[in-house]
Amino acid sequence: DTGVSQDPRHKITKRGQNVTFRCDPISEHNRLYWYRQTLGQGPEFLTYFQNEAQLEKSRLLSDRFSAERPKGSFSTLEIQRTEQGDSAMYLCASSDGGQGRNEQYFGPGTRLTVT
Amino acid sequence: EDQVTQSPEALRLQEGESSSLNCSYTVSGLRGLFWYRQDPGKGPEFLFTLYSAGEEKEKERLKATLTKKESFLHITAPKPEDSATYLCAVPFDGGSQGNLIFGKGTKLSVKP
Repeated sequence: DTGVSQDPRHKITKRGQNVTFRCDPISEHNRLYWYRQTLGQGPEFLTYFQNEAQLEKSRLLSDRFSAERPKGSFSTLEIQRTEQGDSAMYLCASSDGGQGRNEQYFGPGTRLTVT
Repeated sequence: EDQVTQSPEALRLQEGESSSLNCSYTVSGLRGLFWYRQDPGKGPEFLFTLYSAGEEKEKERLKATLTKKESFLHITAPKPEDSATYLCAVPFDGGSQGNLIFGKGTKLSVKP
């Protein structure tokens, strides 16, 4: 299977702890996106990478959130000092961007629960 | 402000009962409109991209159409396995490379 993969699929943590999520995009895709989705809402954009460069961050992304994409391959999203409001599904997507194609393919998501 | 509005929020159909879902948007320069299907607890699954008014795309029982201000997802003779939340999205107008603004989705239930 060559789709987008995310790990872990579920994470339960206590308030104040740090968590890190991993995303492996489709191998030939140079663009990678992180979104957050809460119940009953559509996904909300968090940040975007083209290769290893982080080109855009949403105002939703507080200082407690950091994302990296070393060597333009997999990406990690870290949340420091988690809060209950961080509980959500964190989605990763990738696209190849070639010839103006912006179709984004999503992974299965990481469900975060902060207790 | 860029917005995407989907209606209805929820739709219940009998198997075989055709209907349409609506997605209206307010971005100034459209760079594509995307439809996704999302099953509970899973990531969105890409369905269609539409780039210009008048364009249509089809896949099995689904057909997506686009006008200058809205898109429709037509479902013909739906089956219970079509039950899911359908999301539409457009690229953020001020964004660099296609980060998407999503609507809240339409939750479709198809009863046998």
